[in-house]
Amino acid sequence: DQQVKQNSPSLSVQEGRISILNCDYTNSMFDYFLWYKKYPAEGPTFLISISSIKDKNEDGRFTVFLNKSAKHLSLHIVPSQPGDSAVYFCAASGGGTASKLTFGTGTRLQVTL
Amino acid sequence: NAGVMQNPRHLVRRRGQEARLRCSPMKGHSHVYWYRQLPEEGLKFMVYLQKENIIDESGMPKERFSAEFPKEGPSILRIQQVVRGDSAAYFCASSPPRTGGYKETQYFGPGTRLLVL
Repeated sequence: DQQVKQNSPSLSVQEGRISILNCDYTNSMFDYFLWYKKYPAEGPTFLISISSIKDKNEDGRFTVFLNKSAKHLSLHIVPSQPGDSAVYFCAASGGGTASKLTFGTGTRLQVTL
Repeated sequence: NAGVMQNPRHLVRRRGQEARLRCSPMKGHSHVYWYRQLPEEGLKFMVYLQKENIIDESGMPKERFSAEFPKEGPSILRIQQVVRGDSAAYFCASSPPRTGGYKETQYFGPGTRLLVL
């Protein structure tokens, strides 16, 4: 039962353009959402989060949008840089024991020159 | 300010042996979580601990796996009688004490890559 889904396994974007990574969830009890970036052989690095009381959160080049009615969130990276090339995981928490994170399967972003 | 520390980074075990994975949380963090990532999959929650207490072990396999977070020292994830299917990357995360309704962020260590031969 995949409660958090990232339907695009990979994405290729040109340097300087916008990268948009998408995430859908099914559990309406989720109330906190996070994006992590992961390089090979390293642990996930926290990027940005959003609470369900908001619909947008911005931090530098990273913006996360939350559409609760559609159970959808997206991460926008503007402008994209080669160092952004990594696997991006969407995660959610809430419902039951609120602290555990449920992860999507990840989207591999490749930023090309 | 050291991040979450995990050791060993790589661990090779033969079938039937025991694996012990250690995690030291960030300074000031009292909550520890363990996740497992199988090849080509996302991270799956295993267990959530606070000092001397297991809060949520709903993701732990029923047999062979155990976890502890003693009053002193690192958190330990122990896998007894390992099998090839236990080969995976095991990540530890920590977060600070929760305050009111504030949602804490989990910060991850570099992981331990377990290979069972």
